[in-house]
Amino acid sequence: KQEVTQIPAALSVPEGENLVLNCSFTDSAIYNLQWFRQDPGKGLTSLLLIQSSQREQTSGRLNASLDKSSGRSTLYIAASQPGDSATYLCAVSGGADGLTFGKGTHLIIQP
Amino acid sequence: SAVISQKPSRDICQRGTSLTIQCQVDSQVTMMFWYRQQPGQSLTLIATANQGSEATYESGFVIDKFPISRPNLTFSTLTVSNMSPEDSSIYLCSVAPGTAYAEQYFGPGTRLTVT
Repeated sequence: KQEVTQIPAALSVPEGENLVLNCSFTDSAIYNLQWFRQDPGKGLTSLLLIQSSQREQTSGRLNASLDKSSGRSTLYIAASQPGDSATYLCAVSGGADGLTFGKGTHLIIQP
Repeated sequence: SAVISQKPSRDICQRGTSLTIQCQVDSQVTMMFWYRQQPGQSLTLIATANQGSEATYESGFVIDKFPISRPNLTFSTLTVSNMSPEDSSIYLCSVAPGTAYAEQYFGPGTRLTVT
């Protein structure tokens, strides 16, 4: 059974810092990996999707990498801003059977 | 991409009753999923609801408790039956336009409190 772990569980940094969120998964037979953000009381917003054949994806200040063989992904956030404060979720897809989620990293960016 | 709406956005229900949650998508999609997010926890897949076939439930979830309908390619419902306080959660639907490789998009969720 696929298990997804996210480290750290919580992170608080001053505005402007670059930061890295980590995600690991136990079964490397994935179709893709997706990073989401969730704001309090809200649904999920998709940030980046990395297909299993890809190594990284970039969107603005966000860069996600994937090392499928070692079961790891990182989300890099450059020049963090208070608006980046949210819970970041990593999820992997094994095919047509939905996503397996990690427990998330609760991120606070201090103004 | 896909825009997803859910009704109701929140509800407070008494134990022993049932609630039906609706999920509407702005485009036709084959694959639709229902998830539960218990307080302070991450998301757990309840079932996969593909149009034209019976819903497939994950371990720990049964059809009698969470019946699902998928009458067409833009709509689905999830019913939470005979509710108990342990069913208090956020329930979210999601879709994957295209294939199993596709990005998943989520609705805003339904926040359910059972008293």
